[in-house]
Amino acid sequence: AQSVTQPDIHITVSEGASLELRCNYSYGATPYLFWYVQSPGQGLQLLLKYFSGDTLVQGIKGFEAEFKRSQSSFNLRKPSVHWSDAAEYFCAVGVPDGTASKLTFGTGTRLQVTL
Amino acid sequence: DAGVIQSPRHEVTEMGQEVTLRCKPISGHNSLFWYRQTMMRGLELLIYFNNNVPIDDSGMPEDRFSAKMPNASFSTLKIQPSEPRDSAVYFCASSLTRGNHEQYFGPGTRLTVT
Repeated sequence: AQSVTQPDIHITVSEGASLELRCNYSYGATPYLFWYVQSPGQGLQLLLKYFSGDTLVQGIKGFEAEFKRSQSSFNLRKPSVHWSDAAEYFCAVGVPDGTASKLTFGTGTRLQVTL
Repeated sequence: DAGVIQSPRHEVTEMGQEVTLRCKPISGHNSLFWYRQTMMRGLELLIYFNNNVPIDDSGMPEDRFSAKMPNASFSTLKIQPSEPRDSAVYFCASSLTRGNHEQYFGPGTRLTVT
């Protein structure tokens, strides 16, 4: 069965600083990979996704992520964090089973941004 | 597009009562997912439907939980009887089977069982 590990439960960065959130997955083949963001009291919003092709994917709000097969990682990055980026971030792995893509989520990383 | 719609947004009920959560997926989407989010267990997939048919309900915690999708635009998640440990945020998400498999989440229903 697939699994996702987000080793950092909580990260604090200063506004304007760069950000990298870590995500490692376990799956026998190349999965579908996703990053979602959840603001307090809200649902999850898709930031970006990887299915195949270029291993560096661009998403919304200035985020990007890089798929590294050798490290089974899909880390999320942003060169300059804004205060509005404070939220919880979830990495997810999708395994298409013929009818839909079931997602397994990591435990999340809560991002705090200091001014 | 209105996105995924869930109702109610908040529900407070007493232990033993029946609770029904509702979801309207995005028009045209043919897969629907129910998730539960708690501090202890994170985000868990409870059940998902494809073309209104339940495909995988292995995440449903026990027989007190049931889900239906009578048509392409409506689904319910029912808990009967409810227990305090069912307190959580319940999310509904929908996606297209074909294509990029992106799941779009609703705003969630915060359930409190006292």
